[in-house]
Amino acid sequence: DIQMTQSPSSMSASLGDRVTITCQASQDIGNNLIWFQQKPGKSPRRMIYYATNLANGVPSRFSGSRSGSDYSLTIISLESEDMADYHCLQYKQYPLTFGSGTKLEIK
Amino acid sequence: QVQLTESGPGLVHPSETLSLTCTVSGFSLTGYSVYWVRQPSGKGLEWMGRMRYNGDTSYNSALKSRLSISRDTSKNQVFLKMNSLQTDDTGTYYCTRVIGYNWAEYYFDYWGQGVMVTVSS
Repeated sequence: DIQMTQSPSSMSASLGDRVTITCQASQDIGNNLIWFQQKPGKSPRRMIYYATNLANGVPSRFSGSRSGSDYSLTIISLESEDMADYHCLQYKQYPLTFGSGTKLEIK
Repeated sequence: QVQLTESGPGLVHPSETLSLTCTVSGFSLTGYSVYWVRQPSGKGLEWMGRMRYNGDTSYNSALKSRLSISRDTSKNQVFLKMNSLQTDDTGTYYCTRVIGYNWAEYYFDYWGQGVMVTVSS
């Protein structure tokens, strides 16, 4: 199975900060990665698909990038509504595997 | 518009079988695959299995011996059955969709609201 190592597991940042969350894939997954945002009691919301593409309706302060086997989700200027859990998902190979999640809190 | 809605019992006793239904609207089950994902309380997401647009199924090997997914296209429903439930199966169960061909823009774009399942005696 492909392991997705996500970091950090939690972080606290101030409004306006630049925030980066990373997933490292244990095998080649190409660009077959999605980033989700999940707020308490809600379903996951797709933010980035195919590693770098902004999903419909997602604010432009969110972006996705790839460097080799490292995939990053960046928020260029943190807003209060961005407080949530973030998950990555690889869909290159079955079983699909998620990262362990990042809890993003606002200072 | 596109909707997925999970339904099922909120409480299941240990060793019993969980039966969940995902009812979809706004798209066809012959054009989209439906995936099941679960989330133990306070933990991460786990892919369980899928009903493909063509009727094939595949399962997470960790659950394969306990899991069965089927569908009724005439009712726009996909069913999940998992037996021998234990307390660590407690969590929220989601269904989501993936388009049946190579178009990433339509992968995991819509999710149901989730159904909370508690395994307890």
